[in-house]
Amino acid sequence: KNEVEQSPQNLTAQEGEFITINCSYSVGISALHWLQQHPGGGIVSLFMLSSGKKKHGRLIATINIQEKHSSLHITASHPRDSAVYICAVIRNSGNTPLVFGKGTRLSVIA
Amino acid sequence: DGGITQSPKYLFRKEGQNVTLSCEQNLNHDAMYWYRQDPGQGLRLIYYSQIVNDFQKGDIAEGYSVSREKKESFPLTVTSAQKNPTAFYLCASSITPRQGQAFFGQGTRLTVV
Repeated sequence: KNEVEQSPQNLTAQEGEFITINCSYSVGISALHWLQQHPGGGIVSLFMLSSGKKKHGRLIATINIQEKHSSLHITASHPRDSAVYICAVIRNSGNTPLVFGKGTRLSVIA
Repeated sequence: DGGITQSPKYLFRKEGQNVTLSCEQNLNHDAMYWYRQDPGQGLRLIYYSQIVNDFQKGDIAEGYSVSREKKESFPLTVTSAQKNPTAFYLCASSITPRQGQAFFGQGTRLTVV
């Protein structure tokens, strides 16, 4: 079982829909990142969370440390939001400090 | 502004040649990492370094080598022993291995022909 699990793997939405991407992890962490990767492009860091909630424009990220779960929400989705969204955790113990989920591929259709 | 820089963004090499990917950071971070991503797959750890002159193998280190002679630099060499080198390579860094925000390079897309 992967230490970081994301769901869903693939998501198709109509423009304007509210989108939620989930990330669950099974290890102790000091922080969690949400990243965005456009097709053929590099990786952009959207948020770093260690507790609570952060908002940037139409993006909202939350984390529940006790439940080992984080969500990324996109309000009023737009075709330009189409990308792969990746959850990454910084572990506070173990051999591999930084561990990534496999990503959620989002397609927003106009 | 501080940041982490990978170069080049796209790289083409002939089969059998070694190639070195550059990763530089001016954030004064101790920890640096190299990951590989294959189409439709997640990022997998190749090597990481927690401090200068020290590095550890990750899950898929075979066919790769690294050095950490300076705090700012963590170059990755893809050797001819790597069976399937065509992939997207990502460099990252963090203040320490266990704490602090991680920063990510833009990635290098390597194609071996």
